[in-house]
Amino acid sequence: QVQLQESGPGLVKPSQTLSLTCTVSGDSISSGGYYWSWVRQHPGKGLEWIGYIYYSGSTSYNLSLKSRVTISVDTSKNQFSLSLNSVTAADTAVYFCARVAPRSPSGWRGFDYWGQGALVTVSS
Amino acid sequence: QSVLTQPPSVSAAPGQKVTISCSGSTSNIGNNYVCWYQHLPGTAPKLLIYDNNQRPSGIPDRFSGSKSGTSATLGITGLQTGDEADYYCGTRDDSLAGGEVFGGGTKLTVL
Repeated sequence: QVQLQESGPGLVKPSQTLSLTCTVSGDSISSGGYYWSWVRQHPGKGLEWIGYIYYSGSTSYNLSLKSRVTISVDTSKNQFSLSLNSVTAADTAVYFCARVAPRSPSGWRGFDYWGQGALVTVSS
Repeated sequence: QSVLTQPPSVSAAPGQKVTISCSGSTSNIGNNYVCWYQHLPGTAPKLLIYDNNQRPSGIPDRFSGSKSGTSATLGITGLQTGDEADYYCGTRDDSLAGGEVFGGGTKLTVL
């Protein structure tokens, strides 16, 4: 059974950098075949895709966040990480990590496994 | 504002049927596969439907999905109190902004 677990500080000061790590078990990031993603949910709002990374290090980001986001991977630890700089109160959200199936002409199995989420509050 | 439009809430009695709509455009739903997710706050979201209408193993056949043009629909029959959750549609958007997009979510209340 694939499991993902987010970890990192729950409180970040404005203008600083939010850093979260997702630890994967039950699958090996380096085996390829999937993308590894971050999604966030602002309080009382819907889901917002942040970006994803492939085991090779190739990334794709939400254009609205691209200038502030970096997603990296550490295959030796079977982890991937999110870094969001210059945070403001608008970045307060629950941050989820998820596994994403690749698309093919015949279909797409979506975001098939998710972590439980980590609440990050931006406040001084 | 979410790229995909869902009703904020729906409700129905136990045992009844409910549908949740997800409206998009040709740049997203119209040309891409749609997934549906169930989310109980404080837990990990769960994939309910992929490929517009396929259920992962372990998802009961009370849950169904369909797509027509630029809209998708999630159907739930035989409602149970345990179905009370937030439901999200998701797909890819091929516009200039691109990327993965989700609906704003629909809160299902089982009365």
